[in-house]
Amino acid sequence: DADVTQTPRNRITKTGKRIMLECSQTKGHDRMYWYRQDPGLGLRLIYYSFDVKDINKGEISDGYSVSRQAQAKFSLSLESAIPNQTALYFCATSLSEGFDTQYFGPGTRLTVL
Amino acid sequence: RKEVEQDPGPFNVPEGATVAFNCTYSNSASQSFFWYRQDCRKEPKLLMSVYSSGNEDGRFTAQLNRASQYISLLIRDSKLSDSATYLCVVNGGGKLIFGQGTELSVKP
Repeated sequence: DADVTQTPRNRITKTGKRIMLECSQTKGHDRMYWYRQDPGLGLRLIYYSFDVKDINKGEISDGYSVSRQAQAKFSLSLESAIPNQTALYFCATSLSEGFDTQYFGPGTRLTVL
Repeated sequence: RKEVEQDPGPFNVPEGATVAFNCTYSNSASQSFFWYRQDCRKEPKLLMSVYSSGNEDGRFTAQLNRASQYISLLIRDSKLSDSATYLCVVNGGGKLIFGQGTELSVKP
C-alpha cells in the first residue's frame, strides 16, 4: 500500500463549488504539505503543517484553507473554486527539518469549469 | 528573480549521451539541496541530495558551488528510462523551494 494517499485522484467541478482534497499518510511523519503544480511554474507551496497544532501559509494560500485532523491526515479546501485553481495538487510529508526528504502522494488533478 | 531557476529544456539526447542540467538559487543562506525526478504527471521523487563536496550515485553526479549559488546534475550513459523532468530543489527555512524543472527526453 502507498505511504501517502490522496483522494480524489481526479475531480471536475464548477466555479463557486466548495471542494475538499484529502491526504492521508502511514509514514508517521509530523510534517505535511500541500502544493500545486502548473505547467512551467513548478511546484508552489500552498500550506504546511509541522504538527497537528501548527498550520502555516505558504506562497499561494489565498483561496485555500486546510485542516490537520490528526498526525496522519491533512485536508485542503477550496471554499469557492475558480477556474485558475485548475491544477495538479500534491500532498507531501517529511520527517524533520534540515536535510529532510519529502514524500509525495500521487496527486489530485482538479479541473474547475 | 525566481528563488530557484532552471533551464526548462527540453533536452533531447540519444541513448548513451552525457547530459548536464544547471540550476541557480537566490538565497545564500540555503543549507540543503536536492535533485528530484518527476515522471509525466506523476509525483516527484527524490533522486539525490547534493553535498558540498559533490556526490555520485552510479551514472548520476551532483555538484554544488556555494560561492556561485549554482547546482548541477550530470547524467552519463543516458538510458531511455532517464526520460523525465528533473527538479532542482533548495531547502529554505524548513521548506523546499522547487525549480520549474528541466525536461529530458532520451531517444533510441
